[in-house]
Amino acid sequence: TQLLEQSPQFLSIQEGENLTVYCNSSSVFSSLQWYRQEPGEGPVLLVTVVTGGEVKKLKRLTFQFGDARKDSSLHITAAQPGDTGLYLCAGDGRGGSEKLVFGKGTKLTVNP
Amino acid sequence: DTGVSQNPRHKITKRGQNVTFRCDPISEHNRLYWYRQTLGQGPEFLTYFQNEAQLEKSRLLSDRFSAERPKGSFSTLEIQRTEQGDSAMYLCASSETGTGGYEQYFGPGTRLTVT
Repeated sequence: TQLLEQSPQFLSIQEGENLTVYCNSSSVFSSLQWYRQEPGEGPVLLVTVVTGGEVKKLKRLTFQFGDARKDSSLHITAAQPGDTGLYLCAGDGRGGSEKLVFGKGTKLTVNP
Repeated sequence: DTGVSQNPRHKITKRGQNVTFRCDPISEHNRLYWYRQTLGQGPEFLTYFQNEAQLEKSRLLSDRFSAERPKGSFSTLEIQRTEQGDSAMYLCASSETGTGGYEQYFGPGTRLTVT
């Protein structure tokens, strides 16, 4: 069974602080996706990482895919209240499956 | 591009009743997925269509659940004889061939409450 473990589960910080959240697995993935979800809404795709060691930047967000393609991290610089939400990582299903396997997410609160 | 839409957004039903949800994918996407998300969990895969063919189903999809995509466009998910454990957010996603199916775009979800 593929499992994606995300840490920390909860994170509460002040506006302007930096933070990193992690997504780890014992399985190798062809790709990993990061989503952000707000209460009562569906997940919104932020980025897809495909190549081991890949780094992608989206404004103040930096995503990295581990060299072995088993883990990923999301770093936010100078967090803002608008960054508040549930951050989910998802990996592709193995064995030809089209499904995504999700972690439980990191619930981020950025206080003004 | 209007994104993935789902209706209704909220549904409250009594235990034992049947409910049906609808998903309209992004128009050029031929792949459609259903997921279920409960409180404190990430979405869990239920089933997947490529065009009108249902190609994969999770063990979570009991015989009370049925999904269709009759013309390869919109899809419906029906739950018969609902149980309180069916209370969850039901999410639909779509993707297009060529991305490996991995870049899935989600709708806003249907929140089901079974009383």
